[in-house]
Amino acid sequence: DTGVSQNPRHKITKRGQNVTFRCDPISEHNRLYWYRQTLGQGPEFLTYFQNEAQLEKSRLLSDRFSAERPKGSFSTLEIQRTEQGDSAMYLCASSMTGVHEQYFGPGTRLTVT
Amino acid sequence: AQSVSQHNHHVILSEAASLELGCNYSYGGTVNLFWYVQYPGQHLQLLLKYFSGDPLVKGIKGFEAEFIKSKFSFNLRKPSVQWSDTAEYFCAFSSGGGSQGNLIFGKGTKLSVKP
Repeated sequence: DTGVSQNPRHKITKRGQNVTFRCDPISEHNRLYWYRQTLGQGPEFLTYFQNEAQLEKSRLLSDRFSAERPKGSFSTLEIQRTEQGDSAMYLCASSMTGVHEQYFGPGTRLTVT
Repeated sequence: AQSVSQHNHHVILSEAASLELGCNYSYGGTVNLFWYVQYPGQHLQLLLKYFSGDPLVKGIKGFEAEFIKSKFSFNLRKPSVQWSDTAEYFCAFSSGGGSQGNLIFGKGTKLSVKP
């Protein structure tokens, strides 16, 4: 299966710890998006990359959130000093420039205790 | 502000009943419209999409949706649901043209189909 993959699938961490999630997009896709989904809500856009360039990051929830895509392939999303309110599903999606549909990965479920 | 409103939080139907899920978006420009589905334990999958042209679009598994520009609506329909359609359905849009393409989602509608 060459879909979008995300690791880990589940992460339980204590408040104040840092966590990092990884997303591997579909190989020929140059756009990569991160979303967050909380219970009872639809996915909420966080940031996106075109190749290695992060073209939108103003929607990141705070300066504790950062994302990278160093070689234009996989991406990481880091949350520093986690808070209980960060508990959510973090979704990654990819697409090709000029093609509007996005393909989603299975998500990483974060639980902050 | 850009937003999507899905009118029903939870819909319960019997098999063979007809389905219509409402979706309205708030944006004044050109849009690309989507319905995504999330089956239990699975990730979001694209059900159907509208970019331009015929406002009645057909997707997988017998679903269709109609774009009514004057009503800012993109309602999802299926004439006869099956138990396997039990899932959560999300309406979404992205702004058209050369935009960054990020999706704005509604809160979702949970569909339960009774066998």
